[in-house]
Amino acid sequence: DTEVTQTPKHLVMGMTNKKSLKCEQHMGHRAMYWYKQKAKKPPELMFVYSYEKLSINESVPSRFSPECPNSSLLNLHLHALQPEDSALYLCASSQDYSGSYEQYFGPGTRLTVT
Amino acid sequence: AQSVTQLDSQVPVFEEAPVELRCNYSSSVSVYLFWYVQYPNQGLQLLLKYLSGSTLVKGINGFEAEFNKSQTSFHLRKPSVHISDTAEYFCAVSEGVAGKLIFGQGTELSVKP
Repeated sequence: DTEVTQTPKHLVMGMTNKKSLKCEQHMGHRAMYWYKQKAKKPPELMFVYSYEKLSINESVPSRFSPECPNSSLLNLHLHALQPEDSALYLCASSQDYSGSYEQYFGPGTRLTVT
Repeated sequence: AQSVTQLDSQVPVFEEAPVELRCNYSSSVSVYLFWYVQYPNQGLQLLLKYLSGSTLVKGINGFEAEFNKSQTSFHLRKPSVHISDTAEYFCAVSEGVAGKLIFGQGTELSVKP
């Protein structure tokens, strides 16, 4: 199983809502990532978890809160978002947080903030 | 700091024609190089990667890439494209121990009948 799953596929939320994105992998990978992708742009790294610990936070606003409950699951909690946060949110995983391991990407959650 | 430059933002090509998508990187240390493809409304899928060894790397769907250290390039090629190859292609580089990927801006490949 080389699949990374993400739920929901689409999400529309108001600026005062609280919602969560979920990501799951069963490949035994120990590194997991959140990316944000705007239309016609490359993915931008947001967070990296390595062995269930937050390793990298790319200066992401606190309205985005990641969580790694176990080695297979990664959540992204959203609160008080702005319309400019509308984007495709991609989750990825890799065997380890090392440059030689490829990242496996999920299909993404299309988020619209109204 | 590392950077990746994809020299063409859009590449239109007719079906069954050959194609080359160009990628240059800047790094003073050994790097690992990747090409990913993103079909509309989907996540990214790895096409191929270069870690070490042979400079010609073969990937999925008939794609291949050549690592050229002296020119710091990693161009992607396919001898005969299909309509289904229409997608966005990203070149990416990572350095050594850290797994952070640096992506190029992407090349939109449009295959016309």
